[in-house]
Amino acid sequence: NAGVTQTPKFRVLKTGQSMTLLCAQDMNHEYMYWYRQDPGMGLRLIHYSVGEGTTAKGEVPDGYNVSRLKKQNFLLGLESAAPSQTSVYFCASGERDTGELFFGEGSRLTVL
Amino acid sequence: GQNIDQPTEMTATEGAIVQINCTYQTSGFNGLFWYQQHAGEAPTFLSYNVLDGLEEKGRFSSFLSRSKGYSYLLLKELQMKDSASYLCAVRDSNYQLIWGAGTKLIIKP
Repeated sequence: NAGVTQTPKFRVLKTGQSMTLLCAQDMNHEYMYWYRQDPGMGLRLIHYSVGEGTTAKGEVPDGYNVSRLKKQNFLLGLESAAPSQTSVYFCASGERDTGELFFGEGSRLTVL
Repeated sequence: GQNIDQPTEMTATEGAIVQINCTYQTSGFNGLFWYQQHAGEAPTFLSYNVLDGLEEKGRFSSFLSRSKGYSYLLLKELQMKDSASYLCAVRDSNYQLIWGAGTKLIIKP
């Protein structure tokens, strides 16, 4: 079972460059999330989606955009990367009622 | 504001018992979760409490007191593979998870 798959796993960007992180899940979950994790801090929600075609802002949405054109995919875009966006990004999926989240392996992004 | 507090780091001995505490202040409460995260890996679900009391699952147990805004994760018969970070998260009134910074547990032989 693939579960939640993120690509790429590692990426180095220069300030001002753009990129897209792709998340795919095969569990038919309605809810999908993008988090960032930084040392000494809890997971912080960037954006989330409660179903195909819907997106909503989380706690730290500035500098990021998302799209959920298909139920199984959730894309996170950085239009103009900044060093403050150096982090590990996790995608997760789940259902509202259970609350349990299934995470991808993470994408480590470095912005120089 | 919303806040979840847990110790930054704890050390315990293989075979022993350790209790990791979590206190929270959130806008609404719809359950408390514990996740385990090994270094360089994704968090994985451990337990869920929505009512007061103790939930036991093998070597791991989780306790909740909603009136005190308090939970703990109890790990028994510690093994070296239990060395990891343990994340406490509360689901608020909007059904969003608010995460603590995690407790790094170091197991010594």
